[in-house]
Amino acid sequence: DVKVTQSSRYLVKRTGEKVFLECVQDMDHENMFWYRQDPGLGLRLIYFSYDVKMKEKGDIPEGYSVSREKKERFSLILESASTNQTSMYLCASMQLGGSEAFFGQGTRLTVV
Amino acid sequence: AQTVTQSQPEMSVQEAETVTLSCTYDTSESNYYLFWYKQPPSRQMILVIRQEAYKQQNATENRFSVNFQKAAKSFSLKISDSQLGDTAMYFCAFGDGAGSYQLTFGKGTKLSVIP
Repeated sequence: DVKVTQSSRYLVKRTGEKVFLECVQDMDHENMFWYRQDPGLGLRLIYFSYDVKMKEKGDIPEGYSVSREKKERFSLILESASTNQTSMYLCASMQLGGSEAFFGQGTRLTVV
Repeated sequence: AQTVTQSQPEMSVQEAETVTLSCTYDTSESNYYLFWYKQPPSRQMILVIRQEAYKQQNATENRFSVNFQKAAKSFSLKISDSQLGDTAMYFCAFGDGAGSYQLTFGKGTKLSVIP
């Protein structure tokens, strides 16, 4: 079975802190994604990556950056966390040429 | 850009009954995928069912089936014999078949199965 693992289920950070959300997948997928999920808004794409060291902006990249130094790992970085970044963050991976995305269990981030 | 609309924020159904969740989408693409994902309270998003746009036959997975109307750009999910474990958020999603691999999601429908 494909496994996508996010490093934390719950995270509380202070305004202005630098925050790292880590995601690891074990199926050698080329494509990885970070989504943000908010009530009434569904899932919105922040960034995605189709290869090591490659990244593309999604629909809401402002305030975020990403890093993909290894194929299995895709990190989301909040350079200076703000309260409006309090949300659920979902990581996903997808095989090259595939159509199904596999999701991690989500990280509930609270910025105080 | 693609858009996906789920017009029912919340729905409920009695256990063992049938329920249909609605989804419409807008695209100029001819080759694409449509998905229904389920997110139970445990939060792990899992794929329920997938439909390739070029296939006319509606996809079916056990108690889950879709009604895919390509001309109307409609993609509804029917759950038969509803079970308590079906209680979850359901998201309709559009996948670009041209290779960008991005998914566009609807805002979700919260389904409650009542015993």
